[in-house]
Amino acid sequence: NAGVTQTPKFRILKIGQSMTLQCAQDMNHNYMYWYRQDPGMGLKLIYYSVGAGITDKGEVPNGYNVSRSTTEDFPLRLELAAPSQTSVYFCASSIHREGTEAFFGQGTRLTVV
Amino acid sequence: GENVEQHPSTLSVQEGDSAVIKCTYSDSASNYFPWYKQELGKRPQLIIDIRSNVGEKKDQRIAVTLNKTAKHFSLHITETQPEDSAVYFCAAPRDSGGGADGLTFGKGTHLIIQP
Repeated sequence: NAGVTQTPKFRILKIGQSMTLQCAQDMNHNYMYWYRQDPGMGLKLIYYSVGAGITDKGEVPNGYNVSRSTTEDFPLRLELAAPSQTSVYFCASSIHREGTEAFFGQGTRLTVV
Repeated sequence: GENVEQHPSTLSVQEGDSAVIKCTYSDSASNYFPWYKQELGKRPQLIIDIRSNVGEKKDQRIAVTLNKTAKHFSLHITETQPEDSAVYFCAAPRDSGGGADGLTFGKGTHLIIQP
């Protein structure tokens, strides 16, 4: 049972490049989330999904897009990367609506230069 | 939406002493309050949580208390050990009205256990 798996673990992007952060869970959780963590700022919600085919914006969605074609996968797309997107990104899944008892992936450390 | 304030930002205690971290929330309808521990370079991990129908919950050396009237909840760690050194985050449901999902996190407390 792998839980929540994120790839890649580290990435350096140049300004203006695009990339997709992958997230997969094998717990059959309906609810999935993308958070970003900046130093000293806690975690902020980017996007979330309540099930396959359904996504919605969180607190800081600008510059990102998501899709949810299956229950297992919830990729996060960065278009036209900017230095402000330098952060650690965590994917999480939960069996509960409010993200209670959320299980986090190991994170992706992204640097935009 | 919910607003969560956490303090202190850094807490240094002697090994064996107790540590207390406090959080306040803004939405009186919030009903679930988890605490996460994050070691350096690792993912956040849920260590304890409490729902609004109880005032206290314990799990070995850690406990969480909730004061709904004052809208604050606290994490208590007793007999602290070196492995307790980490950053601790409190959280609350982002929108308790059921119109949105996910958690709102505090900014974290860096707990340092001095030998």
